[in-house]
Amino acid sequence: RKEVEQDPGPFNVPEGATVAFNCTYSNSASQSFFWYRQDCRKEPKLLMSVYSSGNEDGRFTAQLNRASQYISLLIRDSKLSDSATYLCVVNLVKIGGFKTIFGAGTRLFVKA
Amino acid sequence: GAGVSQSPSNKVTEKGKDVELRCDPISGHTALYWYRQSLGQGLEFLIYFQGNSAPDKSGLPSDRFSAERTGGSVSTLTIQRTQQEDSAVYLCASSLEGLADYNEQFFGPGTRLTVL
Repeated sequence: RKEVEQDPGPFNVPEGATVAFNCTYSNSASQSFFWYRQDCRKEPKLLMSVYSSGNEDGRFTAQLNRASQYISLLIRDSKLSDSATYLCVVNLVKIGGFKTIFGAGTRLFVKA
Repeated sequence: GAGVSQSPSNKVTEKGKDVELRCDPISGHTALYWYRQSLGQGLEFLIYFQGNSAPDKSGLPSDRFSAERTGGSVSTLTIQRTQQEDSAVYLCASSLEGLADYNEQFFGPGTRLTVL
């Protein structure tokens, strides 16, 4: 089982739609959580951190459920520019240090 | 200000040769990370430096891979006796503090390595 799992998609949605992505992680020692966005042939960039209380940034809402070990991202009123791959990221405490685990990503296509 | 830079941007090498990849993090960032991304795949965590030390090298794929960081700044990732399966984009990132906190990782543009 992968340490961080995401539905690869692709999700094809029209402009204005609401779309939700889920991500599950296997290690309960996971400490901090993020969503990154990666455009085609570009480097990943932070979209938002995910806090225990849930957090919102404009059209984007992130939720964390530690008991069930999953993270979600909700995008409302999708724009064409939201088309990208969304990466779920977990920082893990381990003996000797830390480790960052990226999910394989969920691809989103927003169509006019 | 300047972001994370990596060099070279592209590297084509023959199987069995050694390659050295360089990363210049954002000035003042204490933490530095190396990843690789194969075509159509997610990022694979390789190693993490806090200052000049790497507490955990277990993410390196084999003993042909090594990394160092000097002066708390520039890092080099060295791959010895390259194999075709080493072909990937190697990404470097830096953050102000380490992984223990909610620190944003800023990525460089990557080095695309092709082993013939």
